[in-house]
Amino acid sequence: AQSVTQLGSHVSVSEGALVLLRCNYSSSVPPYLFWYVQYPNQGLQLLLKYTSAATLVKGINGFEAEFKKSETSFHLTKPSAHMSDAAEYFCAVSEAGSARQLTFGSGTQLTVLP
Amino acid sequence: DAGVIQSPRHEVTEMGQEVTLRCKPISGHDYLFWYRQTMMRGLELLIYFNNNVPIDDSGMPEDRFSAKMPNASFSTLKIQPSEPRDSAVYFCASSLDYEQFFGPGTRLTVL
Repeated sequence: AQSVTQLGSHVSVSEGALVLLRCNYSSSVPPYLFWYVQYPNQGLQLLLKYTSAATLVKGINGFEAEFKKSETSFHLTKPSAHMSDAAEYFCAVSEAGSARQLTFGSGTQLTVLP
Repeated sequence: DAGVIQSPRHEVTEMGQEVTLRCKPISGHDYLFWYRQTMMRGLELLIYFNNNVPIDDSGMPEDRFSAKMPNASFSTLKIQPSEPRDSAVYFCASSLDYEQFFGPGTRLTVL
């Protein structure tokens, strides 16, 4: 069975500072990994995805994530935070060959301070 | 494409009433998912369909909840009778591969 752990339910950074949101997963087979963002009163929007190609994945809005098999991690980063990045971020995992069900982490609320 | 469409966006009802939430997936997508999001429990998968057939409904909380997908372009989630603890945001998502596309959600308030 697959699972996702997001360390830190709340993260605060200053505008212009590095954003680092942590995600660790467990999976019995090669995983597909996703980061979604949810702005207030909206649905989830895909930021980026890893599907067994390049381990460093670039997404929208300047975000990127690196798949590290040895650490079972898929942390999300952005070099310089912007006020508009304030939102909730969800990491999700699916197992290759599965019925495409995603298992979501509990989410990390990102606050960007002026 | 218009994306996943959900209606209504907001629903306020009284305990005991029947509630029907609607979803139109992205054309051509063969999987449809229903989720519920609350502060206490986060994002929960309720049920999902493949080619209009329910595959796993183990996340449906009680028999009061039911979901149907009569054709590839329409699905409903029904709660009968509704209870205050059903208050949540309900999302529909569809997919063609492993990437799921979410609708804007229906915010349900049961008084």
